[in-house]
Amino acid sequence: QITLKESGPTLVKPTQTLTLTCTFSGFSLSTSGVGVGWIRQPPGKALEWLALIYWDDDKRYSPSLKSRLTITKDTSKNQVVLTVTNMDPVDTATYYCAHDYWSGYGYYFASWGQGTLVSVSS
Amino acid sequence: SSELTQDPAVSVALGQTVKITCQGDSLRHYSASWFQQKPGQAPLLVIYGRNNRPSGIPDRFSGSTSGNTGSLTITGAQAEDEADYYCNSRDTSGNPLFGGGTKLTVL
Repeated sequence: QITLKESGPTLVKPTQTLTLTCTFSGFSLSTSGVGVGWIRQPPGKALEWLALIYWDDDKRYSPSLKSRLTITKDTSKNQVVLTVTNMDPVDTATYYCAHDYWSGYGYYFASWGQGTLVSVSS
Repeated sequence: SSELTQDPAVSVALGQTVKITCQGDSLRHYSASWFQQKPGQAPLLVIYGRNNRPSGIPDRFSGSTSGNTGSLTITGAQAEDEADYYCNSRDTSGNPLFGGGTKLTVL
């Protein structure tokens, strides 16, 4: 059974850096074809992809947020960390991590964490 | 274009069939996956690889693609299918794209 869980602060101040951790089980980020992604969703709005990291340390970032994002992995701990710099109230959202899986039909986000709501306010 | 466009809202009578569509150039090259999201819950994968259902997803959910349009069809919609639905694909660089979501109301 695959599970993912996001952890991190629920409230950050404007200009601060947000650090979120995704802890997962049921798969390994050292297995070929496997990735973990971060997706966010502002209240009442659509899903927005942020970043992805693959088993071979290939890293992908949303072009619109690339300058503010860093994604890393710790394979031994089954964790992926996302940092977002210079947080702003518009970054208030539920942040999800998801298991990105290659099935032969392409990659897809097969399993998701429950999400963590991060509010940005002074 | 690196966008996916969905109708904001769609409604269907209980037991009838509804098609939710997603348009974008990326769908000519990369199949769509579809997620169902109910209030307060994380997205749930319902269709991947054009028309494959994960274990536990009812067979009333199906997917298809034609040209630049992907479709999610619910045949015999149930009350519990009322939710937001998001399509997802990849751009030419392999980066994920999400549609803006469709709110499905079951009447």
